[in-house]
Amino acid sequence: DIVLTQSPLSLSVTPGEPASISCRSSQSLLQNTGYTYLDWYVQKPGQAPKLLIFLGTRRASGVPDRFSGSGSGTDFTLKISRVEADDVGIYYCMQALQSPQTFGQGTKVEIK
Amino acid sequence: EMRLVESGGGIVQPGGSLRLSCGASGFSISYYWMHWVRQVPGKGLVWVARINVGGRGADYATSVKGRFTISRDDAKNTLYLQMNSLRAEDSGIYYCARKNYRDSRGYYVDGLDVWGQGTTVAVSS
Repeated sequence: DIVLTQSPLSLSVTPGEPASISCRSSQSLLQNTGYTYLDWYVQKPGQAPKLLIFLGTRRASGVPDRFSGSGSGTDFTLKISRVEADDVGIYYCMQALQSPQTFGQGTKVEIK
Repeated sequence: EMRLVESGGGIVQPGGSLRLSCGASGFSISYYWMHWVRQVPGKGLVWVARINVGGRGADYATSVKGRFTISRDDAKNTLYLQMNSLRAEDSGIYYCARKNYRDSRGYYVDGLDVWGQGTTVAVSS
């Protein structure tokens, strides 16, 4: 199984400041089609997960442009350019390249 | 509005069985791969299973293979998860989710873009 390792596991951020979460994969997530199958999700307290980023870098519909995904191969980053109070939650990366699909451990984002 | 609604969760003894259902509205599941994901309270998300369009192909997490079966009834617009030989570690909130493949402009997209609210499974003696 592909192992995804996120860091840090928790993050406390001042509103208006940037935040960055890393996700490293045990193997490349680049498919021979040229697509990279890495998603980012956020789960806010009491809610179902929500898709933020798919194919490594593409924002899902309705996601603010404060959120961006970057990276390739085995190293990926989710960046929030200016954190807002509503961004509290647990952020997960997930690989969709091969089955079984797997999630990272999650990164808990709190507001200072 | 596109919605998924899970049901069928409950308390079951180790070794028992449960069947979860996921009813869709606002779209037809027949065009989509569908997934089940488990949330372990205080821990994280665990991918459980997926089923392809048409229902002839399915994949499972290593921990549930041979015990869980994902299926679909496109006529009823409903996804299922049959869970047998349940263990304590199967406990959690089970979400169904839709894997998208095309946006409103016809461009290729990906990701689990529609999720249900979850149904809770507790395996305990």
